[in-house]
Formats: sequence, structure tokens, C-alpha cells
Amino acid sequence: GAVVSQHPSWVICKSGTSVKIECRSLDFQATTMFWYRQFPKQSLMLMATSNEGSKATYEQGVEKDKFLINHASLTLSTLTVTSAHPEDSSFYICSASRDGRYNEQFFGPGTRLTVL
Amino acid sequence: AQSVTQLGSHVSVSEGALVLLRCNYSSSVPPYLFWYVQYPNQGLQLLLKYTSAATLVKGINGFEAEFKKSETSFHLTKPSAHMSDAAEYFCAVSGRNTPLVFGKGTRLSVIA
Repeated sequence: GAVVSQHPSWVICKSGTSVKIECRSLDFQATTMFWYRQFPKQSLMLMATSNEGSKATYEQGVEKDKFLINHASLTLSTLTVTSAHPEDSSFYICSASRDGRYNEQFFGPGTRLTVL
Repeated sequence: AQSVTQLGSHVSVSEGALVLLRCNYSSSVPPYLFWYVQYPNQGLQLLLKYTSAATLVKGINGFEAEFKKSETSFHLTKPSAHMSDAAEYFCAVSGRNTPLVFGKGTRLSVIA
């Protein structure tokens, strides 16, 4: 149980385009989903926390208009990187929590974004 | 505020040798502590977690970690390394209602 999927697993796009990444909880309802960014050979940095049906809470320094997060249902959250640029290239990982607890997160497999 | 320090960005051990990955934490609230493993181009897999119960925590794949409050440490060990253990390992800390904070990671290499 507690499986989280992400789609796509990798994506290459041209600079200036927008890219949508999906995060799904497959066998449980996730009241809260988290989005992380991981630079090469570095740790994970929390970008934002989203609760189903409400606006996401962004961490300091994360551009809300650049990284649009939607959590429209208890099993799906999406991250849209708008007007992507090469510096947005990164590994994006989502996680999901049944009850909003930070210490009970299940991680997805990640999405590798490359912006040319 | 919470933070995690992982000592050693890269650890190399021989197959069959003891694995010891070090993690020290700082937390102003009772901590929850975690070890995750990440294989290349994959997400995180939880190895084990400490949530204020037993101080010696046993996880998957033969790993265990001991919470030592006096030393603010949560080191990860495995008695005998296997080639399949080669991966990136992350220590993380959170509070009851605070986000996970990850360490910078330790890459474990296993030499045949």
C-alpha cells in the first residue's frame, strides 16, 4: 500500500514552454501533497505544500507564478512549470500524506525535467 | 528550527563489511528522524524512522539506526554490506507539525 506515482518520469522541453507534472496517490487518499526539487548530487528542497481543495503554501524563495500547484482531488496534485528556462531543469519529486502529517509521507519516483 | 548534518558525502566499503553512515541533528522540538535511500533517477524509499518509541530502530534490508539524544545522533548501520546497497542515503528530521528537513546525502559505494 501507499503507492505514489508521477507522470511523466522524464520530460524535455524548449525554453519558454510550460510543463505539467502529475502526482497521484494510487491506493490511498492524500489530504496533503508535497513538492520537492532536487538539484544534481544535492538534497531535496521543499518547494510547496498543497492541501486538497485549497491554495498551496510555498516555501520562501519559490516563485508562485513560476511553479503552479493544483490539488484538485484527494488523489491528484499537479505542478506546472510555466515559461520554463534551462535553470528550471531539475529532478522534481512529490510526496503524499494521508492525514497531512509531515512525518508520514510517501514519495513518488520523481520527474526529470530538462529545459533546452 | 531543525537541521541535519550528514558526515561524509561519500563512503566506500567492501562487500561484507560494516556500513556506518553518520547523521547528527539539531531540533528545538522532539524530533522525528528518518533515513531514506535513493537509487539513481528514482524517488526516495523509507529505510526506517524514529518516532519517540524504541531508540534502536530496525528497518528494511537489514539496516538499523540508534537514536542517541545525548549525542544528537541517528547513525545508520548495517552489519554486512551488499552490492545492492550502493545508493544515495538521506537523513531527515521533522517535528510533529513541521516539514521534513533533509541532509545533503551520503553516497555509499560497495566494492567487490
